[in-house]
Amino acid sequence: EVQLVESGGGLVQPGGSLRLSCAASGFTVSSNYMSWVRQAPGKGLEWVSVIYSGGSTYYADSVKGRFTISRDNSKNTLYLQMNSLRAEDTAVYYCARAHSVAGIPDWFDPWGQGTLVTVSS
Amino acid sequence: QSVLTQPPSASGTPGQRVTISCSGSSSNIGSNTVNWYQQLPGTAPKLLIYSNNQRPSGVPDRFSGSKSGTSASLAISGLQSEDEADYYCAAWDDSLNGFAVFGGGTQLTVL
Repeated sequence: EVQLVESGGGLVQPGGSLRLSCAASGFTVSSNYMSWVRQAPGKGLEWVSVIYSGGSTYYADSVKGRFTISRDNSKNTLYLQMNSLRAEDTAVYYCARAHSVAGIPDWFDPWGQGTLVTVSS
Repeated sequence: QSVLTQPPSASGTPGQRVTISCSGSSSNIGSNTVNWYQQLPGTAPKLLIYSNNQRPSGVPDRFSGSKSGTSASLAISGLQSEDEADYYCAAWDDSLNGFAVFGGGTQLTVL
């Protein structure tokens, strides 16, 4: 079964750091495009970052320079290192596989269950 | 303010047909395919429609998608109570290095 399971969320103070993990089963993370999408409480979905199978990475302007997406091929796991966290980063963070068409990322499927990050003093 | 524009709410009675619109621009919907996600209360989003009008395995054919120019729409026919959820359109944007953009979401209420 194709599945994603996130972990690592929690309460962190403004300016702090947190690393999210997304363990995949049923497929190989390194052979796929993988993405992070977040959802602030009561709000809509916001794309955060993507890592291509070739290793290229891209970020939303709102997190560029503060967040880093990476993967551990031996653990078949995706990560999101979040530094200099702000109150506005408070959200449920979902990881998702991004299916690609002709080398371009397209639809997200499947999604993990999400992990909540709360940035507050 | 979301890059893609959706109505914040929609409603219908059981058995009715409802449509949800999604408006974008030439750099996103106009250049790339549109995908739709369904988010039931308290759960993670789920892929509903991909590549404008394709249904993943397991999605009822009551759900259909279409795209024209820089707009897209999701239609739900034979509305059922379990369809009550938030619906999001999404596409990739060719601006800068390319990134995914979502609509603000439409909350569908089955009356």
